[in-house]
Amino acid sequence: DSGVTQTPKHLITATGQRVTLRCSPRSGDLSVYWYQQSLDQGLQFLIQYYNGEERAKGNILERFSAQQFPDLHSELNLSSLELGDSALYFCASSQQTGGAVNEQFFGPGTRLTVL
Amino acid sequence: AQTVTQSQPEMSVQEAETVTLSCTYDTSESDYYLFWYKQPPSRQMILVIRQEAYKQQNATENRFSVNFQKAAKSFSLKISDSQLGDAAMYFCAYRSADTDKLIFGTGTRLQVFP
Repeated sequence: DSGVTQTPKHLITATGQRVTLRCSPRSGDLSVYWYQQSLDQGLQFLIQYYNGEERAKGNILERFSAQQFPDLHSELNLSSLELGDSALYFCASSQQTGGAVNEQFFGPGTRLTVL
Repeated sequence: AQTVTQSQPEMSVQEAETVTLSCTYDTSESDYYLFWYKQPPSRQMILVIRQEAYKQQNATENRFSVNFQKAAKSFSLKISDSQLGDAAMYFCAYRSADTDKLIFGTGTRLQVFP
């Protein structure tokens, strides 16, 4: 158990819908990351927040958005869902940003299925 | 842009034997970090080992060690005394020194036979 929690574990929805994935980082971690793992794209970085502020952006679609709240939990919002959005979405957290020993601890993931 | 390549989609090893997983990367940066992550059937991503590019000494964590060849941009993972619990997908990952973003390879599925 990494200490990072993600809810829900599984999500099944229809095309065109909107969903919200939630992540609670490890106690004391200020950085939260979102990654997408799909058969087509592999594992790719979506976005990072550090202490409530967006820190880095990867290949995140405009239909996707995220935020980190004052209590440091984060939400990833996916809208106008398409079949290709079906994937495992990981949240990871780390203590800080930058530096050699800034290990990212991954949550168990949310499996999203778009029908 | 940096890329990570894992050319072995699947590997297999006998229990107690040694296996080496390959990883190459492309970057113009001189300061960066390399990682191997394990993803067992539970899908949990687990950090196996980390290497700082400025360190010449290869990292070792118990039965796991790396062969880091900076000039060749190669970062292979050696698993000694393989165990059934080592069966998993293994991902090689790169991180620039000035970001936290991890760039992953496509993974190698390791099977361990008794």
